[in-house]
Amino acid sequence: EAQVTQNPRYLITVTGKKLTVTCSQNMNHEYMSWYRQDPGLGLRQIYYSMNVEVTDKGDVPEGYKVSRKEKRNFPLILESPSPNQTSLYFCASSPTGRNGSPLHFGNGTRLTVT
Amino acid sequence: QKEVEQNSGPLSVPEGAIASLNCTYSDRGSQSFFWYRQYSGKSPELIMFIYSNGDKEDGRFTAQLNKASQYVSLLIRDSQPSDSATYLCAVFNNAGNMLTFGGGTRLMVKP
Repeated sequence: EAQVTQNPRYLITVTGKKLTVTCSQNMNHEYMSWYRQDPGLGLRQIYYSMNVEVTDKGDVPEGYKVSRKEKRNFPLILESPSPNQTSLYFCASSPTGRNGSPLHFGNGTRLTVT
Repeated sequence: QKEVEQNSGPLSVPEGAIASLNCTYSDRGSQSFFWYRQYSGKSPELIMFIYSNGDKEDGRFTAQLNKASQYVSLLIRDSQPSDSATYLCAVFNNAGNMLTFGGGTRLMVKP
């Protein structure tokens, strides 16, 4: 089954404790992206990757890191999480990331930082 | 001003009616437009995409695009309670490498 898989689905952590949210897609998509979704603010892009070893900042990259060492995986790293990073996170992928290429979303990761 | 704007709603329509959802965008060079549906606590799922001015129909859904006025709309005919969800408008930027979402419109279809 073609899908984008995120793990974990739920995560509660404390301020400053490094964490990684994994994302994997099995569709051989070139483009992958991370979004966060907050009430009243909608979906905001954190980072995106057009292909292996190519990553770029989105609208809200502060406090996050990503890597794209292989095509299928695009982990999101929070080196020192803070309470304002409490949010619902979505990973997404698309064949090319160019105009006209719709995104396929993972099931989301709900992160709480205390 | 946000790049992609939607009325947050809720938009309430009776079952069987036509629901009309609107979205405006600021990047005049944008070329592709998407509508996603998101149920509470779930991930967005693609409903339709449109690239050219005019209407595009798919079942009960019709997307309308007017690039001169910089708006895109989604019509849902014969609305069903199962259509109750938040509808997200998304627009690719002029460079074609970033997809920006509106805040979403919450639709409620009442039996």
